[in-house]
Amino acid sequence: IQLTQSPSFLSASAGDKVTITCRASQAISSYLAWYQQKPGKAPKLLIYAASTLQSGVPSRFSGSGSGTEFTLTISSLQPEDFATYYCQQLNSYPITFGQGTRLEIK
Amino acid sequence: EVQLVESGGGLVQPGGSLRLSCAASGFTFSSYAMHWVRQAPGKGLEYVSGISSNGGSTYYANSVKGRFTISRDNSKNTLYLQMGSLRAEDTAVYYCARVPPGDYWGQGTLVTVSS
Repeated sequence: IQLTQSPSFLSASAGDKVTITCRASQAISSYLAWYQQKPGKAPKLLIYAASTLQSGVPSRFSGSGSGTEFTLTISSLQPEDFATYYCQQLNSYPITFGQGTRLEIK
Repeated sequence: EVQLVESGGGLVQPGGSLRLSCAASGFTFSSYAMHWVRQAPGKGLEYVSGISSNGGSTYYANSVKGRFTISRDNSKNTLYLQMGSLRAEDTAVYYCARVPPGDYWGQGTLVTVSS
């Protein structure tokens, strides 16, 4: 199953609302997770089961979608949110990731 | 505290072999499927391989099928990745991860394939 994220690069300012989209090549129900990764660090789980916020993750992060189209929304960007974001499908093996969305400060 | 600690990375020549280990602690290792994910320098995340909680099922990316073997020892709380016929394109940081749900990842171990 291929996952396509858009955009691949996003430039935004602190306080902005941003949305990242992940499209699956076939239906994956709600078996989708979102990760944040900063340089030199392991990925951090933000959202699982498409819309469930991982414990400890700020509520400005939210996920939605099912089937083939999913979104990650950050309601009000904070300086620490500038990172790369990946979606991941767990509907079937092999598990796959989107190509990533790099979020940079405008 | 949950910890996943990878080891075994290093420099290896093309065609060579390497075994990675991932030592788990702080949770019931035998209850979780475990996976290896890699990241080439400056690139995105790539799924490598996974194994069910009891070791009865294994999964591989097409790019490593036939060259890599995943295994686990639940008595030692350790995950392994035996890598063979290594290629330059296998150069990456290799992470072990508890997936699902994906909440814990190791710090990664760097594998460099070069002559």
